[in-house]
Amino acid sequence: DIQLTQSPSSLSASVGDRVTITCRASQAIRHDLGWCQQKPGKAPKRLIYGASTLQSGVPSRFSGSGSGTEFTLTINSLQPEDFATYYCLHYNSYPLTFGGGTKVEIK
Amino acid sequence: DVQLVESGGGLVQPGGSLRLSCAASGFTFSDHYMDWVRQVPGKGLEWVGRSRNNRHSYTTEYAASVKGRFIISRDDSKNSLYLQMNSLKTEDTAVYYCTRGRREDPDGDFDYWGQGTPVTVSS
Repeated sequence: DIQLTQSPSSLSASVGDRVTITCRASQAIRHDLGWCQQKPGKAPKRLIYGASTLQSGVPSRFSGSGSGTEFTLTINSLQPEDFATYYCLHYNSYPLTFGGGTKVEIK
Repeated sequence: DVQLVESGGGLVQPGGSLRLSCAASGFTFSDHYMDWVRQVPGKGLEWVGRSRNNRHSYTTEYAASVKGRFIISRDDSKNSLYLQMNSLKTEDTAVYYCTRGRREDPDGDFDYWGQGTPVTVSS
């Protein structure tokens, strides 16, 4: 099974900050990786697929990069509505798996 | 607009069974793979399993934690996905989400999610 390790597991940031979250895969997964955002009590929402392609309607301050085993999600100029938990996920092989999540909190 | 609406969650005793449903609308259901994902309260996301589309004969895949106990099926005439959960354990307690998967391109996976239905396994 492919394990996805996210870091950090949580972070505190201020509005306007740049935030970077890392996701490392235990095996190479090409670009078969997405990122989801989840707010408390809500369903996850996909932000990025194919490692770097922004889902339609997602603000351009979100960006993704990486391939193989190392991936990053960057949020430029953090906004109040961005405080949430972020998960990476892969769809390269079965079983599909999610990272452990990164909770972005207000400093 | 794409909509996924889960139902059927509730309280069930260990060893019992429950069937979840996911009603889909706003897209050609038969063209898409469909997945179930669950989330233990306060914890992360866990993929449960998948139904492929009609082109791939509706074949299924399961996480090891549910294989042999859970069965995913679908009725394309009703635009519905199902999760039959048998031999339930306390560790199956979670919110269960239905998600839309690819047609053919893997980048289509997990693009839409339902609101989830809670399942509690307890005596």
